[in-house]
Amino acid sequence: KNEVEQSPQNLTAQEGEFITINCSYSVGISALHWLQQHPGGGIVSLFMLSSGKKKHGRLIATINIQEKHSSLHITASHPRDSAVYICAVTGNQFYFGTGTSLTVIP
Amino acid sequence: SQTIHQWPATLVQPVGSPLSLECTVEGTSNPNLYWYRQAAGRGLQLLFYSIGIDQISSEVPQNLSASRPQDRQFILSSKKLLLSDSGFYLCAWSVWGDGLAGNISSYNEQFFGPGTRLTVL
Repeated sequence: KNEVEQSPQNLTAQEGEFITINCSYSVGISALHWLQQHPGGGIVSLFMLSSGKKKHGRLIATINIQEKHSSLHITASHPRDSAVYICAVTGNQFYFGTGTSLTVIP
Repeated sequence: SQTIHQWPATLVQPVGSPLSLECTVEGTSNPNLYWYRQAAGRGLQLLFYSIGIDQISSEVPQNLSASRPQDRQFILSSKKLLLSDSGFYLCAWSVWGDGLAGNISSYNEQFFGPGTRLTVL
């Protein structure tokens, strides 16, 4: 069993839809990260959070420490949001989810 | 502003050949540095991290090694590549910190380089 589980693995949405990607983890953590990997492979860090909620533009990330669960929301999705979204947690070491592949269709 | 460079961008090497991938960071001092691998269809795997010059920690036993000869230079090497070494290699940096267990910087956001796609034939 992976320490970090993401769902869904693949997601296709119409432009403008509200999108949610979920992440559950089983280890004690000090922080949770959401990363975005573009088709060419480059990775961008979207959020790092240890409690509550963060918002950046159309992206919102929440975390519930008690439930060991985080969600990444994308409002008014756009084709340029198409990417793989990776959840990672840090505690004594780094653990990565295998990613959610998102495709937003115009 | 800080930037992170990796080269080469792509590399095709025969089995048994040596490897040297380089990562450099600009605009910051004494960063934590990391090497990751992403094998096809799999998630990111932390290979090495470094909190200072000549201070390297290995996360996964393998035929790869890492060195940090200068503060902002991190090199990933192998003497003899295996087919299983194929993958996408990412270097990352974060602001220095010794983290929860005194080793990995657990608290700081990481910034990733553009990556090197390695194919071993």
